[in-house]
Formats: sequence, structure tokens, C-alpha cells
Amino acid sequence: DAGITQSPRHKVTETGTPVTLRCHQTENHRYMYWYRQDPGHGLRLIHYSYGVKDTDKGEVSDGYSVSRSKTEDFLLTLESATSSQTSVYFCAISERGSNTDTQYFGPGTRLTVL
Amino acid sequence: QQQVKQSPQSLIVQKGGISIINCAYENTAFDYFPWYQQFPGKGPALLIAIRPDVSEKKEGRFTISFNKSAKQFSLHIMDSQPGDSATYFCAAKGGGATNKLIFGTGTLLAVQP
Repeated sequence: DAGITQSPRHKVTETGTPVTLRCHQTENHRYMYWYRQDPGHGLRLIHYSYGVKDTDKGEVSDGYSVSRSKTEDFLLTLESATSSQTSVYFCAISERGSNTDTQYFGPGTRLTVL
Repeated sequence: QQQVKQSPQSLIVQKGGISIINCAYENTAFDYFPWYQQFPGKGPALLIAIRPDVSEKKEGRFTISFNKSAKQFSLHIMDSQPGDSATYFCAAKGGGATNKLIFGTGTLLAVQP
């Protein structure tokens, strides 16, 4: 998984509780991304980062926030989890170059909101 | 403009057969088209990718065919094997420096022995 770890790998929580998912990379890549994967929707971008403290919204950012205080860590926070946020969350990294547009994905976090 | 439409949703192929998955896009600014393979419980992994300046790219049993005028691209898996059974996603990268990918909805491939 290209030097990417995600924690926790599984989490069950209750509606209304805050949840933070962590993505950690050892590749020193500049770009980091958070996706959610749901049946019938493929992978949808939640937020992404193009450097330390530089983040921007993706297509499904409502209800999520992110932070990146170090190159290697990208945190995804659900301020008040809802059942619609039950999903599998993937972190990805990339380092843009003339021949390097590849995104590498982590192993995923399965989140269940009851 | 930002969608990538993928078909079929699921596909059953006999061992040794050819698997074909199709994708279509609208945004002509897309400049990179990867295919990802995902096994259950794992993250997606890059399988093969193409840029719009070529019409075909082959890596082993996997080939991407790209039709720029039709804004379509497809994945062909030759001599399909049971180990190829997985979910396949096409994607497209827009212009700009952020490497954002737009993914298709995925195709679940089952290769029967």
C-alpha cells in the first residue's frame, strides 16, 4: 500500500459523536486525498491537501473537515457523525510530475455510524 | 462535465475469455486516464493508465483503448483468469496541479473457472 497507513481500520460509533480518521504516509508525497467509497457511487473525493496547512474541498465535503499539520499526516474529522456517513474511507497520496500522476491508496477504514 | 460513466456494472466471463469494461467522459480537459483494480477488503491499486496522445497501451494481458474523438476509453483483459476477479474503476484527471481524479462507479468482474 505504498507506505500509507490508515487508523483505525474499523470503527463503530453512534450518531452525533465526533470521529477522526488518520492517514499517515512515509513517502513524503505532497498531495493527499480523502475519498469515501459507497456501492453504486465508486470513489468520491471528500477533501484533499496540496501541502502542509493547504487543503481544499472535494465533491462531497459537507459534514467533513480536514487538517494537515505535517507532511506525513492527513486527518479527516466528522464533527457530528450521521448514518449517511457510514462508508469505507480511503486515503490516497500522489506526487505530481511530468510522468507521475498516479495516486496510491491506503487500506481503508470501515466506519459504521449507528 | 465532471462525470465519468462506466459500464457494465457487473460482468461474468469464462476463464480464458476477454473482459471488456467501458468508460465515457465529457470534459475535454482531462489529461490522464487510469484504471484501478480493487480486491475485497483492499484499497484500489493502479493497474494501467493512458494519456490522450496515444490510442492504445498494453501491459501484459491488460490493454487500454482510447478514442479521443468519441471521449471513450476501455479496458480489455485478455485470457481472463479467476485471479482477475475484482472490482475495476476507471478514472480521469482534470487539468491543473492538484491531481484530482474523477472515478467511474466501478465494474465487478467475476471470472468463472
